[in-house]
Amino acid sequence: EDKVVQSPLSLVVHEGDTVTLNCSYEVTNFRSLLWYKQEKKAPTFLFMLTSSGIEKKSGRLSSILDKKELFSILNITATQTGDSAVYLCAGGVSGNTPLVFGKGTRLSVIA
Amino acid sequence: EAGVTQFPSHSVIEKGQTVTLRCDPISGHDNLYWYRRVMGKEIKFLLHFVKESKQDESGMPNNRFLAERTGGTYSTLKVQPAELEDSGVYFCASSQEGGAADTQYFGPGTRLTVL
Repeated sequence: EDKVVQSPLSLVVHEGDTVTLNCSYEVTNFRSLLWYKQEKKAPTFLFMLTSSGIEKKSGRLSSILDKKELFSILNITATQTGDSAVYLCAGGVSGNTPLVFGKGTRLSVIA
Repeated sequence: EAGVTQFPSHSVIEKGQTVTLRCDPISGHDNLYWYRRVMGKEIKFLLHFVKESKQDESGMPNNRFLAERTGGTYSTLKVQPAELEDSGVYFCASSQEGGAADTQYFGPGTRLTVL
């Protein structure tokens, strides 16, 4: 059965800290890995990674995929309280097919 | 551009009653997905529409769940009769057909509580 495992499940850090969130996957016919940020309501799209070793960046967030070791990491530098959210990792199978989600990492950034 | 919208935000019903959830995808998105998150578990796939056709309904838990997408625009998910284990957050997502097709955009979810 396809699965995505995220760690840690929960993390509390202080503003200014740098965090690394982990995501490992076992997805048949894997094509892409997606990261989402969920605050109160809708998961909002952060990154889609399809190629190994190429870092994607957006401001203080960055992510990279390792297709050999079947994992991805999401880095957040200089964290702010607004980064507090659940970060979801999902594996995409080839084509327009359903995503396989991990349980998420709940990040709490305290002042 | 409006995002994916869902109605209602929260529904509380009694066991045995019927509930209908609605999803309006992003305009022009052919792909529409339903997912569900039960407390403490991962978000799990339920069903995938391409336009008005059911592409994949392998995640539907049982025949108490009925999804429709008449006309290929909005979709409804009906639960009849509802059971306690149906409680959870029901998410809808949509994506385009084409190169960026893997990027699914999610709605805010409908929280269903069955008492």
